Amino acid sequence: AQKITQTQPGMFVQEKEAVTLDCTYDTSDPSYGLFWYKQPSSGEMIFLIYQGSYDQQNATEGRYSLNFQKARKSANLVISASQLGDSAMYFCAMRGPSGAGSYQLTFGKGTKLSVIP
Amino acid sequence: GAGVSQSPSNKVTEKGKDVELRCDPISGHTALYWYRQSLGQGLEFLIYFQGNSAPDKSGLPSDRFSAERTGGSVSTLTIQRTQQEDSAVYLCASSLDFGRAKNIQYFGAGTRLSVL
Repeated sequence: AQKITQTQPGMFVQEKEAVTLDCTYDTSDPSYGLFWYKQPSSGEMIFLIYQGSYDQQNATEGRYSLNFQKARKSANLVISASQLGDSAMYFCAMRGPSGAGSYQLTFGKGTKLSVIP
Repeated sequence: GAGVSQSPSNKVTEKGKDVELRCDPISGHTALYWYRQSLGQGLEFLIYFQGNSAPDKSGLPSDRFSAERTGGSVSTLTIQRTQQEDSAVYLCASSLDFGRAKNIQYFGAGTRLSVL
């Protein structure tokens, strides 16, 4: 069974500073995908960044980067130069290996990020 | 459309009534998923459709829940005889190609269901 753990229920960051949101995962599969989603108060889940288990380099997408430490089973999201619009819930999720029965995402409980002006 | 569209955005119903929630996926996406988000349980997978294949209903919490997808596009999630514990946000997602490792699911804004 797959499990995602996000240990920070809430985080505060000063505008323009960087922040790291923690995510650890548990799986016995060697092939998996890790995702981060942002959920603002409007409710829509917005895809941010993806990391494959076999990817050699950490994923980056604009101000978002993923600190992927496979041996520690962690996939922390780093947001650089925080903006007020970054205030939202952030979810870490995992998908199993390609194939039948592995398409669903398993989500962590989320971290609520508040950016302080 | 540009994104996944869900309707209604909010639904208030009385206990025991049936409700239908609609999802219109991104054009061209063959896979469609329903999730439920509640305070106590977080985000839970409900059901998955891929093309014309039989859906995976393994996440449905009871036989009061059912879903269909017509013509490989629009999907309807039906909850019969609603209970108060069904109150949650129901999220729909779609994706391009379920067989690839990098399978990004794009979500709609959800339907907030309140059962009184």
